[in-house]
Amino acid sequence: DQQVKQNSPSLSVQEGRISILNCDYTNSMFDYFLWYKKYPAEGPTFLISISSIKDKNEDGRFTVFLNKSAKHLSLHIVPSQPGDSAVYFCAAGNTGKLIFGQGTTLQVKP
Amino acid sequence: NAGVTQTPKFRILKIGQSMTLQCAQDMNHNYMYWYRQDPGMGLKLIYYSVGAGITDKGEVPNGYNVSRSTTEDFPLRLELAAPSQTSVYFCASSSGGQGWEKLFFGSGTQLSVL
Repeated sequence: DQQVKQNSPSLSVQEGRISILNCDYTNSMFDYFLWYKKYPAEGPTFLISISSIKDKNEDGRFTVFLNKSAKHLSLHIVPSQPGDSAVYFCAAGNTGKLIFGQGTTLQVKP
Repeated sequence: NAGVTQTPKFRILKIGQSMTLQCAQDMNHNYMYWYRQDPGMGLKLIYYSVGAGITDKGEVPNGYNVSRSTTEDFPLRLELAAPSQTSVYFCASSSGGQGWEKLFFGSGTQLSVL
């Protein structure tokens, strides 16, 4: 029972263009959502988060959008840079437990 | 600034052996977690703890045990290693359980059971 799903295992974009990573969830009780970035041989690091009471949160080049009716969130990276190449995990939770998606590998080509 | 420290970084076990994965954090965080990452499967929560002396099961607790005797340490015990436990294990901590406290992860332990 996969409560948080990232259906695209990989994504390749050109430097300077927009990267859009998607995430779907099934549990309507989730009340916060986060994105993590992971480089090889390192632990995930926090990128950006959003509360269920909001539909958008921005931090520099990163914007997360939440569509509660569709149980869908997305991460937009504009403009994409080669250093953004990594695995991106979305996570959702409540009461302190985070459930992670499978991850999407983003490759940004120079 | 150590953050979350995991040891060892790599380990190979034979089937049936036991071992303890160590995790320590120096941020005085109440919440600590153990996740495993299998290829293409994302991170699965094994166990978590909301404070010293309190632990609870996550999504995939079978075959593992944990203890939390201090705020700083949260070891994960494998009693009878099985090939299905081959994975990368991540320990994480956060300051609270309200959702907005982001998790800080260690660099992981790569475990192979042969």
